[in-house]
Amino acid sequence: DAKTTQPNSMESNEEEPVHLPCNHSTISGTDYIHWYRQLPSQGPEYVIHGLTSNVNNRMASLAIAEDRKSSTLILHRATLRDAAVYYCILSVTGNQFYFGTGTSLTVIP
Amino acid sequence: DAMVIQNPRYQVTQFGKPVTLSCSQTLNHNVMYWYQQKSSQAPKLLFHYYDKDFNNEADTPDNFQSRRPNTSFCFLDIRSPGLGDAAMYLCATSGLQGLSNQPQHFGDGTRLSIL
Repeated sequence: DAKTTQPNSMESNEEEPVHLPCNHSTISGTDYIHWYRQLPSQGPEYVIHGLTSNVNNRMASLAIAEDRKSSTLILHRATLRDAAVYYCILSVTGNQFYFGTGTSLTVIP
Repeated sequence: DAMVIQNPRYQVTQFGKPVTLSCSQTLNHNVMYWYQQKSSQAPKLLFHYYDKDFNNEADTPDNFQSRRPNTSFCFLDIRSPGLGDAAMYLCATSGLQGLSNQPQHFGDGTRLSIL
């Protein structure tokens, strides 16, 4: 299975940027990097995904290292609603997702 | 809105009594997935369907089965639930024949309790 490693938890102050790191040293050339977040008692919610180039959308930015062995999810201004578990996932051929342990983000008012 | 719907949200069954969880989708996606998520753990893929083609993960217990009668519906059957099967079960879909650049769309899950 494709593997990702993330810090177990992180804290951020409200309205400040948050950088959530992910290591995926075993990534292969065709694996996409996906980020999802999950609130309690809800299913995971799509945040962003990419292959090689950095990506931006209305929710976040994804910075991918040149060697693709790590990536960083950037929330530009954390809000209380961003408190969740963030999962970094590699989607292997067939779009099968193998979740890492995730990072629990706490946003401090 | 197009979505993935799981019913019921909470299910209680007795030890050893068969139980079926259901998932429906209005996205017309051809790939459907079932995940198991135990408390404070990440979701774990159990199996998935490309259309009617069933794909089981190697470590999914035989106690877990699935049916997909049509594009819109998929069922998870647990033949003889044990206490260790208490978990949240998540259904997800993706389109375009499961290309790995496709997001998966998740339902809000069914929380299964075993008495």
